[in-house]
Amino acid sequence: QLQLQESGPGLVKPSETLSLTCTVSRGSISSRSFYWGWIRQPPGKGLEWIGSIYYRGNTYYKPSLKSRVTISVDTSKNQVSLNLTSVTAADTAVYYCARQAGEEGFDYWGQGTLVTVSS
Amino acid sequence: QSALTQPASVSGSPGQSITISCTGTSSDVGGYNYVSWYQQHPGKVPKFILYDVNERPSGVSYRFSGSKSDNTASLTISGLQAEDEGDYFCCSYAGSGIWIFGGGTKLTVL
Repeated sequence: QLQLQESGPGLVKPSETLSLTCTVSRGSISSRSFYWGWIRQPPGKGLEWIGSIYYRGNTYYKPSLKSRVTISVDTSKNQVSLNLTSVTAADTAVYYCARQAGEEGFDYWGQGTLVTVSS
Repeated sequence: QSALTQPASVSGSPGQSITISCTGTSSDVGGYNYVSWYQQHPGKVPKFILYDVNERPSGVSYRFSGSKSDNTASLTISGLQAEDEGDYFCCSYAGSGIWIFGGGTKLTVL
């Protein structure tokens, strides 16, 4: 069964950069059938798609976050990374990585990691 | 793009059927048959329960079904069970590789 695991700092200071890594195991990130997405959920609120990436490096971002987001892929390590710059308290959320099955949606999710933006 | 519109809460008694709506625009829900639904229990990871409007992934109960009319998609849960209680989110493809989620609906089983 495919597994995804997010990792990174749980606390980031305002105006700094949030950096997370998603490690995929029991499956290849280079599969032609799938994309890899980042989705976040502020405490007590709904889900928000941040962006997705294909193993060849094609990226897609939520328009309102595009200026601050970079998603990258390292196929040698079977990892996808998220960088979000100039964070504020509004970026405090559980961040999930998920496998995107083409246009079908997000079928496998990591456990999520809580990132708090605070000084 | 704004979040898709879902009712904040719905409720039903065991054995009943409930429907959760998900309203978007002609640029997302109305423009593509790529609506998916997710179930989330408190403190847990979202679970993929429907895709392509009305397709169930392997292992998902037949009690979950979906439909779409114009810019509104719907999730119906029949034979409501206590374990169905939780939050439900819709999600739609919006073109150009972009995805939009709904605000979520809290389902209470009375």
